Amino acid sequence: NAGVTQTPKFQVLKTGQSMTLQCAQDMNHNSMYWYRQDPGMGLRLIYYSASEGTTDKGEVPNGYNVSRLNKREFSLRLESAAPSQTSVYFCASNRPTLDTQYFGPGTRLTVL
Amino acid sequence: AQSVTQLDSHVSVSEGTPVLLRCNYSSSYSPSLFWYVQHPNKGLQLLLKYTSAATLVKGINGFEAEFKKSETSFHLTKPSAHMSDAAEYFCVVSDATSGTYKYIFGTGTRLKVLA
Repeated sequence: NAGVTQTPKFQVLKTGQSMTLQCAQDMNHNSMYWYRQDPGMGLRLIYYSASEGTTDKGEVPNGYNVSRLNKREFSLRLESAAPSQTSVYFCASNRPTLDTQYFGPGTRLTVL
Repeated sequence: AQSVTQLDSHVSVSEGTPVLLRCNYSSSYSPSLFWYVQHPNKGLQLLLKYTSAATLVKGINGFEAEFKKSETSFHLTKPSAHMSDAAEYFCVVSDATSGTYKYIFGTGTRLKVLA
């Protein structure tokens, strides 16, 4: 069991470039989440997916899009990166009947 | 709406002395509450979880937390700090009002352990 995996681990972009962060889980969880972590602000929810085929906005969705490709995979896309999106991004998943989240190792993104 | 407030952004203790990290919550119903730990440049690890069973919850690495409804608090404690406890700690409340669990994080408390 790999748990929750994220790729890449590190990425540097220039302003205006696009990229997709990948997340996969092998625990057969229905719900998946994308967060960003900024110093002094904790983790803030960007988007979440309650099940395959559904996605919903979280607290800070502007500038991001997501795709729930199948039950295992949930990707986060930055269409036109901005320096304000410099952050550490975490993916997480959980089962609906057990509200404990499992987190991936994170992606550290820098936008110049 | 659910929310959590971590009352201290930084806490310093000496090795071997007690640790107290404070968290207050706001919830319109009986909440599920969590403490997560994040060591430098690492992901998040669950320390412990409260889900309306025993009010004193024991977690990993000697940590425990007590749910106090009258005080709307869920403080994290450890009797004796170890150097390896130096990390950032997050108090989290879950919100299931939309039918799907969402999680509201506190802003974190950075624990420093002095030799």
